[in-house]
Amino acid sequence: GAVVSQHPSRVICKSGTSVKIECRSLDFQATTMFWYRQFPKQSLMLMATSNEGSKATYEQGVEKDKFLINHASLTLSTLTVTSAHPEDSSFYICSARGIGGWYEQYFGPGTRLTVT
Amino acid sequence: DAKTTQPNSMESNEEEPVHLPCNHSTISGTDYIHWYRQLPSQGPEYVIHGLTSNVNNRMASLAIAEDRKSSTLILHRATLRDAAVYYCILRDPQGAQKLVFGQGTRLTINP
Repeated sequence: GAVVSQHPSRVICKSGTSVKIECRSLDFQATTMFWYRQFPKQSLMLMATSNEGSKATYEQGVEKDKFLINHASLTLSTLTVTSAHPEDSSFYICSARGIGGWYEQYFGPGTRLTVT
Repeated sequence: DAKTTQPNSMESNEEEPVHLPCNHSTISGTDYIHWYRQLPSQGPEYVIHGLTSNVNNRMASLAIAEDRKSSTLILHRATLRDAAVYYCILRDPQGAQKLVFGQGTRLTINP
C-alpha cells in the first residue's frame, strides 16, 4: 500500500525556536496533504489542508503565521512551527490523498514535538 | 459534516469477534461511512468504508443498517494487535476532502 513518511519522528526544541516537520509520500503523488495535531488521550484535530502549488487552507482557530505549511511538490509537504512554546508540544500527524482513490487517506507515523 | 457517536471504550478477548457500533442519525444520502483505526503512538490507518451495502475486506466487515443511521465494524477474530482507537467518520466524496475525527472507541483486547 501507499506509504507516507514523516521526519523527524521525535524532536525536542527550546522555547522560541522554530521546528520544521517533513511529510513525504514515498510511492505515490499526493495532490492534497493534511496536517493534524493530537494531544495525549485526545482525538486528532485537523489543522490545515495543503494542495500542491497553492496556499494552505487553515481550520478555524489555527494561526497561519505560527504554523507555516509549504506543499512545494507532489511528494513533499512541510509544517514549520515558528516561535514554539511549551503549549505547542504535541503529536503532529500528516496524511496524504493520492490522485486516484478519493476514499482512502494515508497517514504518516507522526512526529512528537516537545518544547522545553 | 454529520456527527457520529461511538462508545468511549470497549473490551474483548483475544480470538473472539468484536462488534464496534457507530450511530450517525443525521447522515445524508451522499455520506459514506469510513472507519479508521489508530494503534498506540502511530498515525491512523484506513480500515474499511461503505455506502449502503455491507462490505468485507481482509481487515474487517462493515454492517450498515437499512436506514443508514447506524453501522457496526466487525473484527471477526480479534488479536492483541487489534488494540487501538477506532474512528467512525462520515464523508461525502463530493464535499470537502478532509477527515474529521471524533473521539472514537478505545478497544482493549485481553489475552
